[in-house]
Amino acid sequence: SAVISQKPSRDICQRGTSLTIQCQVDSQVTMMFWYRQQPGQSLTLIATANQGSEATYESGFVIDKFPISRPNLTFSTLTVSNMSPEDSSIYLCSFYRVAGELFFGEGSRLTVL
Amino acid sequence: QKEVEQDPGPLSVPEGAIVSLNCTYSNSAFQYFMWYRQYSRKGPELLMYTYSSGNKEDGRFTAQVDKSSKYISLFIRDSQPSDSATYLCAMSEGSGNKLVFGAGTILRVKS
Repeated sequence: SAVISQKPSRDICQRGTSLTIQCQVDSQVTMMFWYRQQPGQSLTLIATANQGSEATYESGFVIDKFPISRPNLTFSTLTVSNMSPEDSSIYLCSFYRVAGELFFGEGSRLTVL
Repeated sequence: QKEVEQDPGPLSVPEGAIVSLNCTYSNSAFQYFMWYRQYSRKGPELLMYTYSSGNKEDGRFTAQVDKSSKYISLFIRDSQPSDSATYLCAMSEGSGNKLVFGAGTILRVKS
């Protein structure tokens, strides 16, 4: 079965800086999904990343703040730009392993000071 | 009003108890219903997956969907300390469509 590897698993960042999270899957997948999980809140979909096209962002999320790359079918990155303490969260990448089963990585826990 | 409502808990039960976890939702177009379990510092893992109304059983876990009431439940029989985790309900309008998650219920099973 496919495995997702996310890096970094955790980081502490300074306000105003940017951080790029990497997501590597060990098989080819068409669509990858980036979620945010804020403390005590639901998982919220940030964007859907397809290989070879621009990511599709959900309401409330914009490309300037969360640029996404999808250079091939096994890899994606999410950048959190110009971070503020409100961006402190867990960021998760995911894909549909089989119909209906959304499979998650272990997440990247960001703390912004 | 949130699209999916879930009591955050924490819910604390003794080992061996029957646990009932619930979610309500407002979107009548939801057809696919899931329960995820998330251990501390881990990503969510799929526990149960149900299409439309009815019950589904898998070992100690039973998922129930009542579309007429817009209410879903997860029952855990003979609960174990290893069941201590956050349980998230999720639902979508179609297979492969965007998932909408509840906030998650923290469950603690005491030995």
